[in-house]
Amino acid sequence: DGGITQSPKYLFRKEGQNVTLSCEQNLNHDAMYWYRQDPGQGLRLIYYSQIVNDFQKGDIAEGYSVSREKKESFPLTVTSAQKNPTAFYLCASSIARDEQFFGPGTRLTVL
Amino acid sequence: AQKVTQAQTEISVVEKEDVTLDCVYETRDTTYYLFWYKQPPSGELVFLIRRNSFDEQNEISGRYSWNFQKSTSSFNFTITASQVVDSAVYFCALPILGNSGNTPLVFGKGTRLSVIA
Repeated sequence: DGGITQSPKYLFRKEGQNVTLSCEQNLNHDAMYWYRQDPGQGLRLIYYSQIVNDFQKGDIAEGYSVSREKKESFPLTVTSAQKNPTAFYLCASSIARDEQFFGPGTRLTVL
Repeated sequence: AQKVTQAQTEISVVEKEDVTLDCVYETRDTTYYLFWYKQPPSGELVFLIRRNSFDEQNEISGRYSWNFQKSTSSFNFTITASQVVDSAVYFCALPILGNSGNTPLVFGKGTRLSVIA
């Protein structure tokens, strides 16, 4: 079955630690996205990539980094520079003008 | 800039009631897409509908219907005869670049719908 997988489902980070969230898709989609969701808020764009080896910052990119070395994969690293990383992180992908498909999300908590 | 406003933060209805979720948007583009997504308690966003701005016909899918009015920049979503399984957060969204392909979405803050048995 085609879809988007995110791992881990839950992630705990200590202060000053970098962590990486995984996002993989087997839909052969060109574009991939990372959104952050805080309680009671809509989704906000962190980074997106429309093609391999290229990506653009979203509204809240500070303290995050990404890579797009393969079409299927778009990992997100939350660095120690991100002062308030506790949130729900959603990865999505799309092709052409179709809707975005979302993964199940990763819930990150800072200890 | 693109903006989506969902003024209703939370709505509670009794099962079998009809409910309408409001969505008002702002866009600089003359043609654009609009989307509705459902987020059940599991957290994953589920796609419901995509509407192109030059198609103003209302759309019905089972108990779901959508009313798109370009004149008032609104794209409202109605659930008829609501069920407990409809309980979720619903998001309206607009691409940051009109009807271009593979562009990020701007989301409203969502409306939490609770359907009580």
